[in-house]
Amino acid sequence: QVQLQESGPGLVKPSQTLSLTCTVSGGSISSAGYYWSWIRQPAGKGLEWIGRINTSGSSNYNPSLKSRVTISVAASKNQFSLKVTSVTAADTAVYYCAREGERRDGYNRYYYYMDVWGKGTTVTFSS
Amino acid sequence: SYDLTQPPSVSVSPGQTATITCSGDDLGDKYASWYQQKPGQSPVLVIYKDTMRPSGIPERFSASNSGNTASLTISGTQAMDEADYYCQAWDGSTVVFGGGTKVTVL
Repeated sequence: QVQLQESGPGLVKPSQTLSLTCTVSGGSISSAGYYWSWIRQPAGKGLEWIGRINTSGSSNYNPSLKSRVTISVAASKNQFSLKVTSVTAADTAVYYCAREGERRDGYNRYYYYMDVWGKGTTVTFSS
Repeated sequence: SYDLTQPPSVSVSPGQTATITCSGDDLGDKYASWYQQKPGQSPVLVIYKDTMRPSGIPERFSASNSGNTASLTISGTQAMDEADYYCQAWDGSTVVFGGGTKVTVL
């Protein structure tokens, strides 16, 4: 059974770069038909999609974060990573990584679903 | 940008039916997923491809998607179903989540 685990510093300072890693266990990150995603959730608020990547090099980002975000994959380590530059207090949140399945229906229309989530890691902004 | 709108809260009595809506332009032309999140826990996928339940999700969870509205229905609601629920769709270039609905079982 695939499991995901986020890791990285829990405290970041203004203008620093936030770096998080998600380690995949129980399966291969290179398995076909999956994207690997990052989602965040500020305390008491809803889910915000950050972006995703697959091992073929295809990636998508939330337009509101795209200028500051990079998601990369290290297939040999079964990991994928998130970098957010120029952090501010608004980046304080619980950060989740997730496996996102990509499938096509009988009409060749894609659908996506996040079926495995990590436990999340809290990132706090510190001045 | 594409937006999905959910009611902030829904209340339901134990054993009754709760319905959560998710509205977006031509949402019925996209596929919707639904996630359940209990306090302090990660989200859990409860519906994908509009109506499909992952293994392990009880049959009391069902859903539909047509026109501009997707709906998640919880039949015979139990106390354990009290949680936040989020709809999600792919708009062609980005993943979009609804704002979430808190379901309270009174």
